Amino acid sequence: RKEVEQDPGPFNVPEGATVAFNCTYSNSASQSFFWYRQDCRKEPKLLMSVYSSGNEDGRFTAQLNRASQYISLLIRDSKLSDSATYLCVAADTGRRALTFGSGTRLQVQP
Amino acid sequence: EPEVTQTPSHQVTQMGQEVILRCVPISNHLYFYWYRQILGQKVEFLVSFYNNEISEKSEIFDDQFSVERPDGSNFTLKIRSTKLEDSAMYFCASRGDGKLYQETQYFGPGTRLLVL
Repeated sequence: RKEVEQDPGPFNVPEGATVAFNCTYSNSASQSFFWYRQDCRKEPKLLMSVYSSGNEDGRFTAQLNRASQYISLLIRDSKLSDSATYLCVAADTGRRALTFGSGTRLQVQP
Repeated sequence: EPEVTQTPSHQVTQMGQEVILRCVPISNHLYFYWYRQILGQKVEFLVSFYNNEISEKSEIFDDQFSVERPDGSNFTLKIRSTKLEDSAMYFCASRGDGKLYQETQYFGPGTRLLVL
């Protein structure tokens, strides 16, 4: 069974903190990786794609380790508006259907 | 910014009834998907659709489910005889031409289906 595993949290952090989420995937054929954000009862929204070399988008940094089948997301200088569930997502190049992790809940507190 | 739309936002139905969930994907997209999320659980893939046919489906997508693109804009999911366990949020997603394997899937706001 092709799975993506995440720590469900919740992670409760103060504003301004740095927080890191980890994720592992079991399907070695997975080629594309993403972090999506999901607010309560809303649709998943793409936060960022994850590239082998690692990539950064403002306060967000994503890393991929193919040898360990491990993906991470680092959020610096947390804002109250970062409170959400962060979904780790993988896809095969050919298959394209997304396999979602169960999500990690983040609560940023004032 | 173009977006995926879905109707209705909420649907309540009796067990055994047929429901049709509707989606309008982003206009120049070629790949279409349905996912579902049971309350408190992870988002699960149901089916993908390309070039007017199903390209892949999961084990959840049994004979009770069907998809259709009846015209150039709509993409529908039909559940023939709903069961209690079909209660979930159903998300439609679409993607562009797929030349880049990192091509993003954009999700609609979902239809919350409640089967009584």
